[in-house]
Amino acid sequence: GEDVEQSLFLSVREGDSSVINCTYTDSSSTYLYWYKQEPGAGLQLLTYIFSNMDMKQDQRLTVLLNKKDKHLSLRIADTQTGDSAIYFCALYNQGGKLIFGQGTELSVKP
Amino acid sequence: KAGVTQTPRYLIKTRGQQVTLSCSPISGHRSVSWYQQTPGQGLQFLFEYFSETQRNKGNFPGRFSGRQFSNSRSEMNVSTLELGDSALYLCASSQAPSGEQYFGPGTRLTVT
Repeated sequence: GEDVEQSLFLSVREGDSSVINCTYTDSSSTYLYWYKQEPGAGLQLLTYIFSNMDMKQDQRLTVLLNKKDKHLSLRIADTQTGDSAIYFCALYNQGGKLIFGQGTELSVKP
Repeated sequence: KAGVTQTPRYLIKTRGQQVTLSCSPISGHRSVSWYQQTPGQGLQFLFEYFSETQRNKGNFPGRFSGRQFSNSRSEMNVSTLELGDSALYLCASSQAPSGEQYFGPGTRLTVT
């Protein structure tokens, strides 16, 4: 079945880069997403990448996709305390639904 | 453009009762999906509607149902509530089923 795995925690210093990783099993996914969730809030769509792309850059965010290794990453440059949140990677599969990872809690220390 | 809205934001119900949650998608979006988020199970897909038709359904019991109206607004209903139904219920809308999905703030349901 489909599975999406993320590490649970990441701690960085303000100003450093953060890299959040995600591995998946279903290679038929068409869209791969990154969402951000702050406490008590819904999911905010940060960025996404099509399965036929290798990289996408959007301001401080860079998404890398390695289809061979089924690995997706999100790099946040110049991480700020406001970036502290839980980050979810999600894949839209052929079955017409988003499959989410467990979420990575990013803690940014001043 | 207004985002996805969900009402109510918070609900407290008793076991055995039923509940109806509402979702208004972004204007122009015709696809609505529902997800349940719990600390133990994470984010799980409930169902997806497009043009008033249910296209996909997740692995939830028949107590969970939904519908979509001609204006694309959607409701989900949970009957005979159980303690384990306590969760954040999130609605997402997109222009088409495979498009970018934008989430609402969620409805926090507590079953006592």
